[in-house]
Amino acid sequence: KAGVTQTPRYLIKTRGQQVTLSCSPISGHRSVSWYQQTPGQGLQFLFEYFSETQRNKGNFPGRFSGRQFSNSRSEMNVSTLELGDSALYLCASSLTEGRDTGELFFGEGSRLTVL
Amino acid sequence: SQKIEQNSEALNIQEGKTATLTCNYTNYSPAYLQWYRQDPGRGPVFLLLIRENEKEKRKERLKVTFDTTLKQSLFHITASQPADSATYLCALDDNTDKLIFGTGTRLQVFP
Repeated sequence: KAGVTQTPRYLIKTRGQQVTLSCSPISGHRSVSWYQQTPGQGLQFLFEYFSETQRNKGNFPGRFSGRQFSNSRSEMNVSTLELGDSALYLCASSLTEGRDTGELFFGEGSRLTVL
Repeated sequence: SQKIEQNSEALNIQEGKTATLTCNYTNYSPAYLQWYRQDPGRGPVFLLLIRENEKEKRKERLKVTFDTTLKQSLFHITASQPADSATYLCALDDNTDKLIFGTGTRLQVFP
């Protein structure tokens, strides 16, 4: 069974640009969560999608958005990039939603550098 | 305010010894707590889940305890090996269906 696939793995952008990251969950998983990981803050929850609906959202500005498609694949978008957006963006999928989430299966992440 | 605290300093231990990592939380009442392992440049990998009504959980050389009175979880690796060197993250549900992570503790096992 293929794991969680994130693309691209690495990208470099400049301030003010926008970026779209993609995540393909494990086959059969309908829940996709996104996290931002930085050395100082650790993993910070961005949002979770289940069956194309955003179920939960973290404390990030509106520049961060996401969506989920009918095949459970998910994308996240960051507009008007700032230097502080440089981070590893991790996607995770799970079989179920909410409090019975159980374990999360993470992808290898997309490393974004903003210059 | 709500906090999850893991020792930010690296834990260095000798091969064969037991490593013990701590996760303390404040102003949460989690229904469960999870532990993950993360290697450099990789995504976290799930290790163990322990529910609020469980005191202890074991899996091979791993043991997790969960004390809801102390608001603390301990993660033990017995007979540690250099291959156990990694960052270990604890995570808990925040009662709003989000899984919140601590910043992790780096474990270094030397021969």
